[in-house]
Formats: sequence, structure tokens, C-alpha cells
Amino acid sequence: KAGVTQTPRYLIKTRGQQVTLSCSPISGHRSVSWYQQTPGQGLQFLFEYFSETQRNKGNFPGRFSGRQFSNSRSEMNVSTLELGDSALYLCASSLAGTGADEQFFGPGTRLTVL
Amino acid sequence: SQQGEEDPQALSIQEGENATMNCSYKTSINNLQWYRQNSGRGLVHLILIRSNEREKHSGRLRVTLDTSKKSSSLLITASRAADTASYFCATGAGSYQLTFGKGTKLSVIP
Repeated sequence: KAGVTQTPRYLIKTRGQQVTLSCSPISGHRSVSWYQQTPGQGLQFLFEYFSETQRNKGNFPGRFSGRQFSNSRSEMNVSTLELGDSALYLCASSLAGTGADEQFFGPGTRLTVL
Repeated sequence: SQQGEEDPQALSIQEGENATMNCSYKTSINNLQWYRQNSGRGLVHLILIRSNEREKHSGRLRVTLDTSKKSSSLLITASRAADTASYFCATGAGSYQLTFGKGTKLSVIP
């Protein structure tokens, strides 16, 4: 089985721009969650989707949004980028849902905001 | 906010020695999971222990869970240089999210 894939792997943007990150889960997994990882804050939960429905959202501003498609692929969007949005963005998929069973993580997208 | 707090923040040992990492958390949980992350890459799931379990083994890994103390430990026996990584505990509490600690950075010196 192919693992979780994330595109792009690296991204450089400037303040004020917007960005869209993509995540393809493992075949058969209907739950996709997103995390932001920074040296200062560690791993922070962004949101979780299951069968196209957002079931939970972390404590992030409305500039962070996401969606899930019928094939379980997910995208997250960050608008009006700020320097503090520079981070590794990780996507994870699972069968039963985030927090209920093991999560399979993708390699991440490294976003740098200049 | 961080639910789990790992201790120590960093650990350096010789190859062949055992490594023990601890995790404390604050609220009731359904399960506790341990993950490994090699420098700047995605996380790899190591082991999941449910709230009604006290101990679990997987190869060279041994995890314990004490729900009365809200704490868990991860023991890696006979460590290898390839075990060098950051280790995170994460708690699942039935809210469709995992809450991670800040991790323990393990260095295994050959």
C-alpha cells in the first residue's frame, strides 16, 4: 500500500500570499488530520476530516482552512500568510479517526514565509 | 495546548544501553500513543496503549501506562544508533484529535 503523500514538499512564499497544501491518505482511510510543527510550539492540531466532514478544529485563526474530497484527499489553505506561519505541516490518515487508532503520517510540507 | 509533557527533553546514551522516556498528561484519555520522528521528517507510529491497559511490548519497545498518575513511559532496550530521533507521546481523548507533547530528543552514540 502506498503511504500518505503530501505535495509540495517545500514551499517558499512571501507575507500576504496564500498557499494550498495537498494530502493523499492511504487507500481506504477516511480520516485525515493536519498538524503544524514549529520549534517553539511543537506539534499543534489544526483540523480533522472524516468523509468530507470537519469533525474538529484546533485553536488556529480563520486564515487556516481545509477541506476533504469524496476520494478522501484533503487540502489545507492558509491565507494572508504571516512570518509565524513558517512551519512543517504534517498530514496524517487513519481508519477509525484521529485519536482513536494509529495515525500514518506523510513526510510533511516545509513552508517558509519571507 | 500541549497535553503531554515528555521528560527528559534530551537524552544521550551509548549504543547498547537502555533509554527511558516519560510522559505526563493532564486529562482523561482513551489511549496514549508514542511516535518517532527522524530529523524534520514525518512521524512514525510506534505503539498505542489503551486506557485499560497497563503495559505493552513491541520488539525492543516497552510502554507502561499509569492512569492514576496520568503518566506513561517508553523503554527502548539495547539501543542502536538508528534509534536516534525525537520521540513524542500523544493522547487521544475521543475528540477526533491527538494532542502531542514537545518530545524527547534521543541521541544514541555508536
